This record gives sequence, C-alpha cells and structure tokens, in this order.
Amino acid sequence: QLQLQESGPGLVKPSETLSLTCTVSGGSISSSSYYWGWIRQPPGKGLEWIGSIYYSGSTYYNPSLKSRVTISADTSKNQFSLKLSSVTAADTAVYYCARRGWRAGRWFDPWGQGTLVTVSS
Amino acid sequence: QSALTQPASVSGSPGQSITISCTGTSSDVGGYNYVSWYQQHPGKAPKLMIYDVSNRPSGVSNRFSGSKSGNTASLTISGLQAEDEADYYCCSYTSSSTWVFGGGTKLTVL
Repeated sequence: QLQLQESGPGLVKPSETLSLTCTVSGGSISSSSYYWGWIRQPPGKGLEWIGSIYYSGSTYYNPSLKSRVTISADTSKNQFSLKLSSVTAADTAVYYCARRGWRAGRWFDPWGQGTLVTVSS
Repeated sequence: QSALTQPASVSGSPGQSITISCTGTSSDVGGYNYVSWYQQHPGKAPKLMIYDVSNRPSGVSNRFSGSKSGNTASLTISGLQAEDEADYYCCSYTSSSTWVFGGGTKLTVL
C-alpha cells in the first residue's frame, strides 16, 4: 500500500526558506504513471495546489508561488522535496504531499498526513 | 488563477440527498473532464471521493456521485449518513497545466 510521509522543520523564520521532504513507501516515484505534488492548507482555510513533479524532472508550479517555489526529486531515496523561499506569515499552513494520477485518471491520492509549518520569528 | 466557487455550507438530514456545486470557467472545469472531489474530516488529510468528473475510486461508497454541466461540476451524496459530515473540496485541471481547488464546502448532517 502506497504511503507518503512529510518531514521537515515545523517553525521557519520570516524571509527564510521553508524546506520539506516527502518520503514515499510501497511504490516508486520513478513510475511513469504518476506525478508527485505538494498542496497546502492555511489554518481554517481551503486547499491550495503548490506544484507537481514528474520522475523525469519536469515541474509545474502555481503561478502565484512560482517565483519562490522549487520542487525536486531524489529517485535514489524515493523522495521528493519542496523549497519555498522568502516566507512570510501567509505561508503558515499544513503542507501535504500527494501522488497525482496521470495515465488512468487525474486525481490526488493518496495524501500524506500533512505537516504544520509555522512562519514566525 | 482563481479558486473554484463552492457554497460555504450545505446541510441535510440523515437519509436525504444533498448536492454541492463547484463553478469555474471554460479554462478549467468547463474545458476538461478532470474534476475531482475530496472529503476532509477535521484534523485529517483529504480523501479522494470522485475523479474525472464522475468516477468513483475503489472503496468509495456508491452513495457518492459526480457530474458536470458547462462550467459547473456537482457532487451528490445520497442516503446521507452522520459520517458524511465533513468538508468537501473540488479540484480541476486548468488550461495552464496547473490545478485549482474550490474554497471548500462544510457539510452538516442535521
């Protein structure tokens, strides 16, 4: 059964870079059938797609975050990562990683349990 | 990209049916059959309920169904049960090769 687990600091200072890693178990991120993505949810608010990466390295980002976001993958560790630079309090959110279907439907499933990142000095 | 429009809240009694709408534009909902729906209970990760407008993943109750007309997609839950009380989000692929979510709808089972 495929599982995803987010990890990284729970507290980041304003203007610094938020860095998270998603470790995938029970499946390979090198599969050509899927993309891998990041989605976030500010406390009490809705979901926001951040970006996705394909095993080949192709990336797609939310235009509103594109200038600050980098998503990369390490196939040897079966992990993919998120870096968000110049963070502010508005970036405080629960960050989720998820697999994104491609060949057999377009969906996000499963999701990691999520990790809360607070931006504060 | 603007979030898809969903009603903030809907409610229904056990056994009833409810429908949640999700309105976008011809550049997202109306342009592609790539609308998915997610259920989220408090403190939990979202769960896929419907994908590609009307397809149900294995293990999801057939009480959940999806449809689309023009720029508006809909999620219908029939035979409402207490455990259906949750937040529901729609999501669509866009013409910019990106993804956009709806603002979310809180379902209350009376």
